[in-house]
Amino acid sequence: DAKTTQPPSMDCAEGRAANPPCNHSTISGNEYVYWYRQIHSQGPQYIIHGLKNNETNEMASLIITEDRKSSTLILPHATLRDTAVYYCIVRDRDLYSGGGADGLTFGKGTHLIIQP
Amino acid sequence: GAGVSQSPSNKVTEKGKDVELRCDPISGHTALYWYRQSLGQGLEFLIYFQGNSAPDKSGLPSDRFSAERTGGSVSTLTIQRTQQEDSAVYLCASSLTLRTGLNTEAFFGQGTRLTVV
Repeated sequence: DAKTTQPPSMDCAEGRAANPPCNHSTISGNEYVYWYRQIHSQGPQYIIHGLKNNETNEMASLIITEDRKSSTLILPHATLRDTAVYYCIVRDRDLYSGGGADGLTFGKGTHLIIQP
Repeated sequence: GAGVSQSPSNKVTEKGKDVELRCDPISGHTALYWYRQSLGQGLEFLIYFQGNSAPDKSGLPSDRFSAERTGGSVSTLTIQRTQQEDSAVYLCASSLTLRTGLNTEAFFGQGTRLTVV
């Protein structure tokens, strides 16, 4: 039972903003949206997370729609090293209190290819 | 340590043998997770630890798989009587706590590539 839907792949020109989207229409009020990426042959890398407000850090920005049913990750100036599979994950706010007993549930993600 | 460390980085074993995979989490991280990734597939969650306790073992693929964590630090994933379908990259991650939104981003190791021949 996938909680998120992402396009399997997308291309972006180097230097442009890459913006992989994610649908999470069944998200509950207690669930955060997390983004990770996995560069080939490496372990996944945390990028950013948010609940309902837009978030920005040194790696990316996260735009969450007002109804929280979808979000978009923004890499403002994509480089060739940003080529990776990007995973959008929803996760319960309070696992420790029994809201969920699993770890991060990764789907298939979006294979983002940055073209030179 | 500076990051999550896993050993060995590669392991080739014969079908039917037991293997033990090791994970050293980031110092001070109370939560630890095991995942596996088969060739061309997504990440499959296996088990998590809060401290030394693993409250839910239902993600382990079969009773040949077991995991333990001691001293709130090092964890080992043991696979008994390995089968060819066990071949995968086994990834370990740790996070400061389990509580989402409170610095709970998970940091992953480089994984152990297990090949069962």
